Amino acid sequence: GQNIDQPTEMTATEGAIVQINCTYQTSGFNGLFWYQQHAGEAPTFLSYNVLDGLEEKGRFSSFLSRSKGYSYLLLKELQMKDSASYLCAVSREGGSYIPTFGRGTSLIVHP
Amino acid sequence: ETGVTQTPRHLVMGMTNKKSLKCEQHLGHNAMYWYKQSAKKPLELMFVYSLEERVENNSVPSRFSPECPNSSHLFLHLHTLQPEDSALYLCASSQGVTQTASTEAFFGQGTRLTVV
Repeated sequence: GQNIDQPTEMTATEGAIVQINCTYQTSGFNGLFWYQQHAGEAPTFLSYNVLDGLEEKGRFSSFLSRSKGYSYLLLKELQMKDSASYLCAVSREGGSYIPTFGRGTSLIVHP
Repeated sequence: ETGVTQTPRHLVMGMTNKKSLKCEQHLGHNAMYWYKQSAKKPLELMFVYSLEERVENNSVPSRFSPECPNSSHLFLHLHTLQPEDSALYLCASSQGVTQTASTEAFFGQGTRLTVV
């Protein structure tokens, strides 16, 4: 089975930096996804980490530690439009590599 | 616009009704998925089709019946649903479900289903 844990809600100030953590326990692990979902909209892909380390994409970076079962999404220079739910998802090794999602972290950015 | 289109966007149905949700992808992908999203719960994978063949079925009640006539279209047929089935139903597609294929999933906007 799989167990994915992330905080339910976080708040941050516009212009600041926020780190959203995700821990997972899974029987077989291939990689970890981060998705962003605005209210009433479809989830959109942010990143996919397979190897340990930090991957940067503009204001967003994602980190993975396979040995610790841990990932984080780092958002810099926060903007109001970053208010959304951030979904951590794990793909299993072997068989199908379909993502299994955590509950998501609702991020509220205030002025 | 993600390249994945779902219809209808909203649906209200009685417990004795039969309805179908439709999903179409214009991305040339080989895999399509149905997910259920309920309030305060994780996205739940319901069904996966790869090259029109069902590869995963996560113990979903038989009142939900998927159909994949070709790699671009996916349906979810609904009958005798319960109020607790009210949720957002999301369709997604990806290149494939193998390690060498990109498993990045592109989601549709979802169908907001209310069962009364």
